[in-house]
Amino acid sequence: EAGVAQSPRYKIIEKRQSVAFWCNPISGHATLYWYQQILGQGPKLLIQFQNNGVVDDSQLPKDRFSAERLKGVDSTLKIQPAKLEDSAVYLCASSFGFRRQTYEQYFGPGTRLTVT
Amino acid sequence: KQEVTQIPAALSVPEGENLVLNCSFTDSAIYNLQWFRQDPGKGLTSLLLIQSSQREQTSGRLNASLDKSSGRSTLYIAASQPGDSATYLCAVSTSGTYKYIFGTGTRLKVLA
Repeated sequence: EAGVAQSPRYKIIEKRQSVAFWCNPISGHATLYWYQQILGQGPKLLIQFQNNGVVDDSQLPKDRFSAERLKGVDSTLKIQPAKLEDSAVYLCASSFGFRRQTYEQYFGPGTRLTVT
Repeated sequence: KQEVTQIPAALSVPEGENLVLNCSFTDSAIYNLQWFRQDPGKGLTSLLLIQSSQREQTSGRLNASLDKSSGRSTLYIAASQPGDSATYLCAVSTSGTYKYIFGTGTRLKVLA
């Protein structure tokens, strides 16, 4: 079974530029998550999708971050314009669902973003 | 608001030692708790998931316990090996929100 795929793996941009990350979840997984992990910290949930609908985006800085999952499969996360404090690893995860205690989250390798 | 704490932040042990990693949470109304392993530059790998009604889960040399009333979970690693060196994260999903809150992790180094 293929895992969660993410691209690119690394990205270096200057502040005020824009960047986009792509995620392809495990086949059949309805729930998709984007997390931000700053060095030395645990991942923080940015947005959670159930199919193509948003379940939670309470911690997404909506003035500069946006995410979509138009067909309920792949997802993109965009930052525009980037700030220095956006330097982090962006992790995508998926699960079969989220309303059962047995549903595990499976993570992709992440995209390491450096903003200079 | 759920807060998750992991102690110690870093741990270095000789190979073969049994060890315990701790995870504390402030809101006992949890849905489930998941332990992950993260290798440098990599994503997270799920190790064990404990449902709120369970007391423990085991997988190979790993055993995770859950005590909701005291707001604690422990991950026990038996006969540690250098390949166990990684950062271990616990994540708690709270009833109602289903959202995972992560601890900051314990960085483990097992010396050969």
